[in-house]
Amino acid sequence: AQSVTQLDSHVSVSEGTPVLLRCNYSSSYSPSLFWYVQHPNKGLQLLLKYTSAATLVKGINGFEAEFKKSETSFHLTKPSAHMSDAAEYFCVVSSTGTASKLTFGTGTRLQVTL
Amino acid sequence: NAGVTQTPKFQVLKTGQSMTLQCAQDMNHNSMYWYRQDPGMGLRLIYYSASEGTTDKGEVPNGYNVSRLNKREFSLRLESAAPSQTSVYFCASSEPVAGNTIYFGEGSWLTVV
Repeated sequence: AQSVTQLDSHVSVSEGTPVLLRCNYSSSYSPSLFWYVQHPNKGLQLLLKYTSAATLVKGINGFEAEFKKSETSFHLTKPSAHMSDAAEYFCVVSSTGTASKLTFGTGTRLQVTL
Repeated sequence: NAGVTQTPKFQVLKTGQSMTLQCAQDMNHNSMYWYRQDPGMGLRLIYYSASEGTTDKGEVPNGYNVSRLNKREFSLRLESAAPSQTSVYFCASSEPVAGNTIYFGEGSWLTVV
């Protein structure tokens, strides 16, 4: 069994300030973890993924995430928010040995203000 | 690059009507998926097809049927639409290896009145 908990349903930051979106996971196997972003009325785009290589993963648009097994966390960060980062972000876990079935978190809506 | 293409993008149905959502991918992936997205619930898997010729139920299969027509195409059918099926539907594809990226279509907005 696997599950994902996104600890904040809504995060608001000012442009130019750091972003932190929190994610905890539970998995019976060595997990693969993803962050996807969804802009309004659009599909989902992969930001980054962790697949048991380096624990600090760099993604697109300046985002990165750190896999911490001891804390079962995979938080998403960005040093400086941009207005274009305003979107919904989903933390996702995929267990090994399956047809890549994903379990999604409920999402965090990021608001970026001037 | 087309990636995953799904049609229609918007549809309004009356309760009891039927319809089929079409999905095609041009990445030669073996696995395809249908998800629904509802407010506050993330995406939930309806059905998936690990490879051509196979289909399996996901988390919320009731009220839906699927057909894996060939390697490229995977359709989702609502036989008798209900208001509870009002949702945004996403088709996706990948190679069936854990950790492989899953690619999503742009979504289909379905309203059942």
